[in-house]
Amino acid sequence: NAGVTQTPKFRVLKTGQSMTLLCAQDMNHEYMYWYRQDPGMGLRLIHYSVGEGTTAKGEVPDGYNVSRLKKQNFLLGLESAAPSQTSVYFCASWGMAGDLSYEQFFGPGTRLTVL
Amino acid sequence: AQTVTQSQPEMSVQEAETVTLSCTYDTSESDYYLFWYKQPPSRQMILVIRQEAYKQQNATENRFSVNFQKAAKSFSLKISDSQLGDAAMYFCAYRNSNTGNQFYFGTGTSLTVIP
Repeated sequence: NAGVTQTPKFRVLKTGQSMTLLCAQDMNHEYMYWYRQDPGMGLRLIHYSVGEGTTAKGEVPDGYNVSRLKKQNFLLGLESAAPSQTSVYFCASWGMAGDLSYEQFFGPGTRLTVL
Repeated sequence: AQTVTQSQPEMSVQEAETVTLSCTYDTSESDYYLFWYKQPPSRQMILVIRQEAYKQQNATENRFSVNFQKAAKSFSLKISDSQLGDAAMYFCAYRNSNTGNQFYFGTGTSLTVIP
């Protein structure tokens, strides 16, 4: 299993440009999450999904949109990037681990810089 | 809304010694999960230990153990026999088991291990 993968790993945008971050998981998990991580602020939830075709707002949703058209993919879109969206973005899924307990599985992160 | 507080931005420990990282949380729920994650410079989020609120016994994973005080809403992480590889950011996180699917993270504690 590849676990949770994110594309791309790095990206530099100019203010006003748009882009989409792709998250994919091969564990058949229902729940998926997008976070941003800024220095001194920990991880903050942007949007999440509890299953294919569903999305919900998290703590900091403004300026972002998401889609979950397929169970294994969760896309995060920036329609008009702003310097305040410079951050590291993590995708995660929630589901059963090998020992039959539940845990959150994280992707490797995407470092986004908006100039 | 739930909040997670880590009051120690930075901690240091001598190699082979023991260190305790603090975490408190605020919730009105009775059933939830608590987690400690480690984030080394590679940026990957690694699950260290998990505690389910209904379990009275404190979780342990090798050199890592927690002191879970449900009434006090406290969830500290003890690292015994500290090793150089333990140096990282440590995040405490909360997830409600029933009502709501969101995770809440603390702001992190940066742990330095002194040789």
